Parts: sequence; structure tokens; C-alpha cells
Amino acid sequence: ETGVTQTPRHLVMGMTNKKSLKCEQHLGHNAMYWYKQSAKKPLELMFVYSLEERVENNSVPSRFSPECPNSSHLFLHLHTLQPEDSALYLCASSQGRGGYTFGSGTRLTVV
Amino acid sequence: RKEVEQDPGPFNVPEGATVAFNCTYSNSASQSFFWYRQDCRKEPKLLMSVYSSGNEDGRFTAQLNRASQYISLLIRDSKLSDSATYLCVVNTNAGKSTFGDGTTLTVKP
Repeated sequence: ETGVTQTPRHLVMGMTNKKSLKCEQHLGHNAMYWYKQSAKKPLELMFVYSLEERVENNSVPSRFSPECPNSSHLFLHLHTLQPEDSALYLCASSQGRGGYTFGSGTRLTVV
Repeated sequence: RKEVEQDPGPFNVPEGATVAFNCTYSNSASQSFFWYRQDCRKEPKLLMSVYSSGNEDGRFTAQLNRASQYISLLIRDSKLSDSATYLCVVNTNAGKSTFGDGTTLTVKP
């Protein structure tokens, strides 16, 4: 498998649920990212991991918790979300000064 | 002022037209520049990097003007399949990436 793979593609969860989004990259990149894209809004950077260390946390609420166990895998743990958290969550990876490769995203609906 | 600004459009052009998008950036320390394409309800995909000397890939030409701090994307002979949102991305040397809000292009028959 190549590129950046995200699962699940779609997720519907209640406000009291706990779920996790998974991202895996097969490109040998050294940085991974979580972005949020709400309807008709630009991409918002959430978290950056470089060489498995979190280097940026863009004032994201604590109900979103990232985890990067190794350079190929990235998780986003979700708990007690709000309806306004419904969005497309995109994982991306990059190497050096190269551009991003994005996964297909998880379309999340909080009910 | 936003760090990266794009004309949101929409740009509505007929097939075969030439269309150009500009993107301005405010951080003079910016080092690398990219254009991405995002189709409706899909992820952004890298279209092309933008090099100082300008670069071309088929019908697409990207230019960088460091003095005026803008990048541009020119699409010649537009196809229906070019309809999408085009995002410019500006990276600093520290590796910080900033996305523009995107410019929407619709190519009509």
C-alpha cells in the first residue's frame, strides 16, 4: 500500500462516545499532521509531529488528543465532542521542505 | 491581515480559456511555495511546487515574485476537469505551513 491511509472514511458519533481516527503513511516521511476542514472553511492546522515529537498544538481543545507511536502512524483520539466538531479531518505527511501528501480524510458527524 | 491571501472567486470561465490566480504572502522569511488542488469533498492534492525561476507542467505555469511577495498559477486551455478549488501554501524555513483559503474555479462547456 502506498501514500497516506486514513480510517475510518466516515464516522458518526454521539457526544458521549470515545473514538479514534487512524492515519498511516507509507512514504518514509518524517512529519505528520492533523488538519480540520469545516464546511466552506479553510484548512485549520491542529497538530504537527516531527520525528514522533509533537512540535505544534494549535490551541486545540483537550477533547482532541493526538498520539504518534512511530513515524508511520498517527492517531486522533476523540471524546465528548460537540456538534460543531463535525468536519473533515485530514491527516498529512511531509519530508523536509517537500509538499504535503494528504490522506482521504475522515468525515466526522457528531450527533 | 491574513498571512496568505487568495482571491476566493469564484472564477467561472469557458472551456479553452486561460485563467490566472494570485496568492500574496506577508512573511518575508517564507521559503517554499506550493499549489494544491482540492475537489469537492476530497482531500487536497499537490499540483505543483513553485520555484524561483518559475516552472511549467503541461498547461500549468507557476511563478514566484519574492520582491512583491506573491505567487501565481496560470492555467491555459482550461478543461472541464480543471474545476476545483486551488489552494496556495507558503512554508517558512522553520517548517511552518500556511494555507490560503482557496480560489474556486468552475470551467463551463
